[in-house]
Amino acid sequence: GAVVSQHPSRVICKSGTSVKIECRSLDFQATTMFWYRQFPKQSLMLMATSNEGSKATYEQGVEKDKFLINHASLTLSTLTVTSAHPEDSSFYICSARDSRQSTWNTEAFFGQGTRLTVV
Amino acid sequence: GQQLNQSPQSMFIQEGEDVSMNCTSSSIFNTWLWYKQDPGEGPVLLIALYKAGELTSNGRLTAQFGITRKDSFLNISASIPSDVGIYFCAGRYGGSQGNLIFGKGTKLSVKP
Repeated sequence: GAVVSQHPSRVICKSGTSVKIECRSLDFQATTMFWYRQFPKQSLMLMATSNEGSKATYEQGVEKDKFLINHASLTLSTLTVTSAHPEDSSFYICSARDSRQSTWNTEAFFGQGTRLTVV
Repeated sequence: GQQLNQSPQSMFIQEGEDVSMNCTSSSIFNTWLWYKQDPGEGPVLLIALYKAGELTSNGRLTAQFGITRKDSFLNISASIPSDVGIYFCAGRYGGSQGNLIFGKGTKLSVKP
């Protein structure tokens, strides 16, 4: 399958600071990337859909000013958690969809995830 | 909104046993996907299903897309210790570019 790389894998930050997480598609172009959040022993919850060259689409209840998404190229999307608080501590996972696939069945492949701890 | 009910929530089995888990929904999906997630890692795609009734295998794994398009199951035959992990079903709605909805996961433990 396609390779999606997420960085960093772990980050600890102080409350009030901002953290940037990168998601890269290594061997394919991705016009669409997705950002998920996963709490311990819970399922993945979609936060937002990142579209290359345009604004991200946020799911209901997700603060767009707090979770800034930038998808400036076909291989990179970034999620910035601004003014982080302890309740933002979670596992953040990105996925990317291969834009080259000509069939309608275009699957999304996941990064390794980023464990964010806000202290 | 769309919801997926995945069961069982957890399973503890002996090595060599077969495993079955399933997902159901009150909504129709056009794609069913099964993922495995190891601790601290992102989900890895195991099997993708696109047509109602479709039965697809990937090694010891077999999954089926229910005829009603509201359910799917995953079977693992002759389980081995490395099968340990959390298995998630995911359904796609709203067309070919639609978003995925994930089940709550099935935690599988295998005793050697």
